[in-house]
Amino acid sequence: QVTLKESGPVLVKPTETLTLTCTVSGFSLSNPRMGVTWIRQPPGKALEWLAHIFSGGEKSYTKSLRSRLTISKDTSKSQVVLAMTNMDPADTGTYYCARTLDYGSGREAFDIWGPGTMVTVSS
Amino acid sequence: DIQMTQSPSSLSASVGDSVTITCRASQSITTYLNWYQQKPGKAPNLLVYGASSLQSGVPSRFSGAGSGTDFTLTISSLQPEDFATYYCQQSYTTPRVTFGPGTKVDF
Repeated sequence: QVTLKESGPVLVKPTETLTLTCTVSGFSLSNPRMGVTWIRQPPGKALEWLAHIFSGGEKSYTKSLRSRLTISKDTSKSQVVLAMTNMDPADTGTYYCARTLDYGSGREAFDIWGPGTMVTVSS
Repeated sequence: DIQMTQSPSSLSASVGDSVTITCRASQSITTYLNWYQQKPGKAPNLLVYGASSLQSGVPSRFSGAGSGTDFTLTISSLQPEDFATYYCQQSYTTPRVTFGPGTKVDF
């Protein structure tokens, strides 16, 4: 059974760095057909793609937050970590990690999601 | 960046109704379009990938269609568990993808 689960602080202060961990099971982070993505959702709003890490370790970030984000992985621990610096109340929301699956012919989708972790930024 | 729009933003329907949600991309994305269902307090769930391929385990009353810039998600006979918010997402520029703003389906 494939699962992902996010963990990290529930509350962070403005200007602090948020570090979230996604622990996966049921698949390998080195599988060439799979990657892991972080997506967030402010309360009552739409989904926003943040960052992605490929099986080979290549990384990609959303342009608007590139300077604040770092994604990394530890394949032996089956974990993907997202760090976001200089947190602001506008960063409050639910943060999800999801598996990206390549279905072939260039078709990719987020087929399995973690339950999400709610992060509040407040002093 | 490719922008995604959805219409309507919300709709009211009844059990048994046929419902169609539209998603439009700001440029052609061929068939690199996915649909997700999200219920309150839950993570999104993949329904359709590649514009028209049903994800394993998803009921056949869900169907996706379209190519280029215009896409639809149809629920042929709405069930109580289908009341949720639906998002489209383009994967043409993967991994840098974008989501639509969502369509809420309620009573």
